[in-house]
Amino acid sequence: QVTLKESGPVLVKPTETLTLTCTVSGFSLSNPRMGVSWIRQPPGRALEWLAHLFSNDEKCYRTSLESRLTISKDISKSQVVLTMTNMDAVDTATYYCARMGGVTEDAFDIWGQGTMVTVSS
Amino acid sequence: SYDLIQPPSVSVSPGQTASITCSGDKLGNKFVCWYQQKPGQSPVLVIYQDNRRPSGIPERFSGSNSGNTATLTISGTQAMDEADYYCQAWDSSTVVFGGGTKLTVL
Repeated sequence: QVTLKESGPVLVKPTETLTLTCTVSGFSLSNPRMGVSWIRQPPGRALEWLAHLFSNDEKCYRTSLESRLTISKDISKSQVVLTMTNMDAVDTATYYCARMGGVTEDAFDIWGQGTMVTVSS
Repeated sequence: SYDLIQPPSVSVSPGQTASITCSGDKLGNKFVCWYQQKPGQSPVLVIYQDNRRPSGIPERFSGSNSGNTATLTISGTQAMDEADYYCQAWDSSTVVFGGGTKLTVL
């Protein structure tokens, strides 16, 4: 069974750096077909894609946030990590990780449960 | 940046057909997928590569994509289909989501 699970702080202060971890199971991050994205959703608002990590370690980022984002992976731990610097109240959202590259190829076929992050002093 | 535009809301009576559109420049040249999200839940993929259904998705869900518009069609809409729906595509190595459409079944 393929699963993804997000973990990280529930509360961060403005200007701090957020580090989120996505732990995957049921597939390997070294599989050439697989990639993982981070996607967020502010309360009551739409989905917003943040970053994607391909199996060959190629990375792509949301243009407007590129200077603040870093995505990386630890294959041995089956984890994909997202860091976002200089957090602000507008970054309050549920953060999801999602897999791309299964049978559905370029669509996100499996999503994590999401983790809610609040930015407040 | 590339934008995908969806109507904020669509209403449909039970048993009728619901159509949700997603518009973008030359969208027909890209693959579009659709996600369903119910309150408090993670999104679920319902259509990929314009018109393909993942395993476990009912046949009443279908999709099309041509010109500048992709459409998600739900035939014989059921109360359980009430949810937010998002279209998504790739553009220039970035993922783009539409603004979402709230489908109300009444």
